[in-house]
Order: sequence, then C-alpha cells, then structure tokens
Amino acid sequence: QQQVKQSPQSLIVQKGGISIINCAYENTAFDYFPWYQQFPGKGPALLIAIRPDVSEKKEGRFTISFNKSAKQFSLHIMDSQPGDSATYFCAASFSGTYKYIFGTGTRLKVLA
Amino acid sequence: NAGVTQTPKFQVLKTGQSMTLQCAQDMNHNSMYWYRQDPGMGLRLIYYSASEGTTDKGEVPNGYNVSRLNKREFSLRLESAAPSQTSVYFCASSELGPMGTQYFGPGTRLLVL
Repeated sequence: QQQVKQSPQSLIVQKGGISIINCAYENTAFDYFPWYQQFPGKGPALLIAIRPDVSEKKEGRFTISFNKSAKQFSLHIMDSQPGDSATYFCAASFSGTYKYIFGTGTRLKVLA
Repeated sequence: NAGVTQTPKFQVLKTGQSMTLQCAQDMNHNSMYWYRQDPGMGLRLIYYSASEGTTDKGEVPNGYNVSRLNKREFSLRLESAAPSQTSVYFCASSELGPMGTQYFGPGTRLLVL
C-alpha cells in the first residue's frame, strides 16, 4: 500500500518532443509528490514538486499533472533536449513522517 | 558552500568486514537521511535522523547502524558487510522535515565481495 509505481522503465524521445513519465500510488494519505532528476554519477536533485490541492504545476518546460481521484501523477517535459537525458524518480510522502517512498525510476534518453 | 559531502566515493569490502560511510552537510539542516540505490529498485530509506540526537529506522535498516554525531554529520556503519549490501549509498539532508526539499550527496559506491 506504500508503493509508488512508476512507468515506463525507460523512454527514448526525439529532441523537441514531449517526454511523459507516470506514477501511481494507493495510499491516499500521501500529501507531497516530488520529482527528482539524477544524472549519471550524481545524486538525485529536486526537479519539481506538487501537493494534492492543485491539479497541475508548471516550472519552465517541466509540468506535473496530478489526478487525485485516479491516484496518479505524471511529469511532462516539453521540448525535450539532449541535456534532459537522465533518470527521473517520482516520490511520495506523508505529513508528519520523514519517509519518502520513491518510484523505481525512468531512464530518459533524448536523441539529438 | 559544499552542500552534502560523502566519503569515500568508492569502496571494496570483503564479506564480514566493517566500514563507516561518512556524510556531512553545511546547510544547517535539521534532518538527515541514508538511502541505498539498487538497479530497478529506486531509492530506499535505510535510516533517518529527524533532528540532532534522534535516529529512526527506514524501510531497509537490517545490517546497518547510524550515528548522528552532531547537526552536520550523520554516519552509516556496516558491522559485517554482506554481498547483498553492494549498492550505491546516498546521504541527504533537508531543512523542513519530510515536506522540504531533500538535498543529496554524490553517493558512495560500495562493492562487497
């Protein structure tokens, strides 16, 4: 019940295309949903995050769409660039705890 | 401002050996975390320290111990390493507890033979 299921496992997109990564959760007590970006040999870094009181959050080319009723959230990368090639992790956490539950990651490759 | 630093970067151990992974942050964060990252498994929380003087188990604590030495430093100890502990270990810190941004270190790659 505490799992966060992430798909796809890997994704190849042409430069300029839209990359879409999906996550689903079961526990409705989750109330914070960050996305992390990780480049090879580096630690993950926060990309964008959303709380369930909004359905969408946009920061530059990156957008989180949140569907509370379906218990799903997704990351959209518009105008994908080769520099976006990285592994992306979704996560979820509960208020009052210190535990992030991470998805299994999506390896994105953007072709030049 | 180095952020979160980890030492060593890479270590090879034999089964049964012990070692301590070091982590330090210079952002004056209250909370610190240890994760392990394995292929296809994402990041799994081993232990965390909500504030100086406290530590708690995460999702996969077996085989590990931690020490919150002071506000800056949080170490992870493997008392008797096993091949199943071969992984990449990340330390992270955050200012606002679980809802705040977690800042990750560069990782320690550990190979247990």
